[in-house]
Amino acid sequence: EIVLTQSPATLSLSPGERATLSCRASQSVGSYLAWYQQKPGQAPRLLIYDASYRATGIPARFSGSGSGTDFTLTISSLESEDFAVYYCQQRTNWSFGQGTRLEIK
Amino acid sequence: EVQLVESGGGLVQPGRSLRLSCTGSGFTFGDNIMIWFRQAPGKGLEWVSFIRSKAKGGTTEYAASVKGRFTISRDDSMGIVYLQMNSLKTEDTGVYYCSRVSSSVSSIYYYYMDVWGKGTTVTVS
Repeated sequence: EIVLTQSPATLSLSPGERATLSCRASQSVGSYLAWYQQKPGQAPRLLIYDASYRATGIPARFSGSGSGTDFTLTISSLESEDFAVYYCQQRTNWSFGQGTRLEIK
Repeated sequence: EVQLVESGGGLVQPGRSLRLSCTGSGFTFGDNIMIWFRQAPGKGLEWVSFIRSKAKGGTTEYAASVKGRFTISRDDSMGIVYLQMNSLKTEDTGVYYCSRVSSSVSSIYYYYMDVWGKGTTVTVS
């Protein structure tokens, strides 16, 4: 079973700063990795699929990179609405990472 | 507008049953794999069950934690996917989300969820 490990668990940044979130898989998942954003009381929202493709309607400040076992979600310049929990998810067994909480510093 | 709306959640005693519904609109429902996730309070996302399209056999899969207790089904004519939950346990408490599964750019793998409902809350107590 492939396990996804996200780091850091919590990231404290200010609006306008750059955020870099990491997701590491215990085995290669190729480029089949997705990222989601979840705000309190809301459903997850797809941001990125196939490691680097932005979903429909997702702002260009969100970008994804990586392949194999190491992946990164980058938010180039944080806006107030970006503070949320972010999850990565891989193509086997529908499992997610444990999440990274992005909070306002 | 592509949309999923869940219903049927509520408060139920342990050992009782509940049926959740998820109604889709704005897309060809029958062409899609549909999946249920749940999220316990303060926890991460857990896969519950999915059902393939009729074209792909309409087969179903269940997480080990619910196998034998939950049953997923679909009515493509109505655009609804159901989750029948029997013998409920306190650990089944959480928000249940219905999602549409989409394919990779290469169309080889169906693995990510591009549309989510707002969720319905199930409390077993």
